[in-house]
Amino acid sequence: AQSVTQLDSQVPVFEEAPVELRCNYSSSVSVYLFWYVQYPNQGLQLLLKYLSGSTLVKGINGFEAEFNKSQTSFHLRKPSVHISDTAEYFCAVSVAYKYIFGTGTRLKVLA
Amino acid sequence: GAVVSQHPSRVICKSGTSVKIECRSLDFQATTMFWYRQFPKQSLMLMATSNEGSKATYEQGVEKDKFLINHASLTLSTLTVTSAHPEDSSFYICSARRRDRVGGYEKLFFGSGTQLSVL
Repeated sequence: AQSVTQLDSQVPVFEEAPVELRCNYSSSVSVYLFWYVQYPNQGLQLLLKYLSGSTLVKGINGFEAEFNKSQTSFHLRKPSVHISDTAEYFCAVSVAYKYIFGTGTRLKVLA
Repeated sequence: GAVVSQHPSRVICKSGTSVKIECRSLDFQATTMFWYRQFPKQSLMLMATSNEGSKATYEQGVEKDKFLINHASLTLSTLTVTSAHPEDSSFYICSARRRDRVGGYEKLFFGSGTQLSVL
């Protein structure tokens, strides 16, 4: 069975500072990996995805994530955050017809 | 941890029939449930938001009569695709919002999705 772990439920960070949101997964088969963002009162929006190829994936809004197979991780990073990045971030894996989401990390950017 | 069960995971039906998808929060009461749809190679799109005991709020462009949502209790929401057609074939995911015990904000938990194929 697959699982996704986002250890940090909340991450406060000052504006213009770098941030890393952690995601670890477990799976006995190959998976696709995703990061979604949810802004207040909105639906999920795809930030980036890893399907195959280069392990460093660049997404929208300056975010990037690196797939590390040996550590079964897919951490999300941004070198300099903005107030507008305040949102809930979800890591997810997809196998066949199923999605498994992490419990989310609330990023709060402080002025 | 909190679990949201979505059933069935995959369904194939004939054109013109109706299909019901269930979403249950197994160990918590969901203040709100959401239904998403995903087209191939695209992001999840919010279809509707439902609160227990009240009518669902549909996003623009989503047909209310086509996608019936019933939020019968704090642990169960259903999405019925009525008179399904091939263009309704898609991946549907539900999520449930739980009021977190710590911090006071509400966390979101997702079902594993339903792949609907209409022939």
